[in-house]
Amino acid sequence: KNQVEQSPQSLIILEGKNCTLQCNYTVSPFSNLRWYKQDTGRGPVSLTIMTFSENTKSNGRYTATLDADTKQSSLHITASQLSDSASYICVVSYNFNKFYFGSGTKLNVKP
Amino acid sequence: DSGVTQTPKHLITATGQRVTLRCSPRSGDLSVYWYQQSLDQGLQFLIQYYNGEERAKGNILERFSAQQFPDLHSELNLSSLELGDSALYFCASSVEGTQETQYFGPGTRLLVL
Repeated sequence: KNQVEQSPQSLIILEGKNCTLQCNYTVSPFSNLRWYKQDTGRGPVSLTIMTFSENTKSNGRYTATLDADTKQSSLHITASQLSDSASYICVVSYNFNKFYFGSGTKLNVKP
Repeated sequence: DSGVTQTPKHLITATGQRVTLRCSPRSGDLSVYWYQQSLDQGLQFLIQYYNGEERAKGNILERFSAQQFPDLHSELNLSSLELGDSALYFCASSVEGTQETQYFGPGTRLLVL
């Protein structure tokens, strides 16, 4: 069964600290893996897209890693800011045009 | 602002009714995707259209249908509405559709009473 699991469900960190969010998947065949940031009540915003051959991808203070052998990905946020408070969603694409979503990690950055 | 527009922003209706949600993609984008986000199910992919043709189907119910018009805007039709259809419905667009960034609209919040 194709699944995407994210951990932790929620996370509280202090402003300026780093954090890492995890995504494990069983989707096969794998096309690509995406990380999105979603503010409450708004549409998701794309952070990174990685294909099978990519191990790491950065977007400013966000760095995603992918291990296609173990089917694991992580999203590392450096020097967190209050504006990073949001849900972070991992999405795995199957056959290029079908998508499986994780349930997200809710991040709360406190001053 | 992603450049994707959705109307209406909010919709309140009764069970058994039919509604139409509208999406205009970013200028130049040929692919449109529809997603449903409910509290208990999270985000789910419903359907994708590319240049007027259906390209992929996800967990779309038979009561739901979509189409993409020649001007590339898309409509999602929801009929025989049930309480469980209450959710945020997002539209996203991309240039073509395989490995590209998808840009999400602000969503339509549907409440079925």
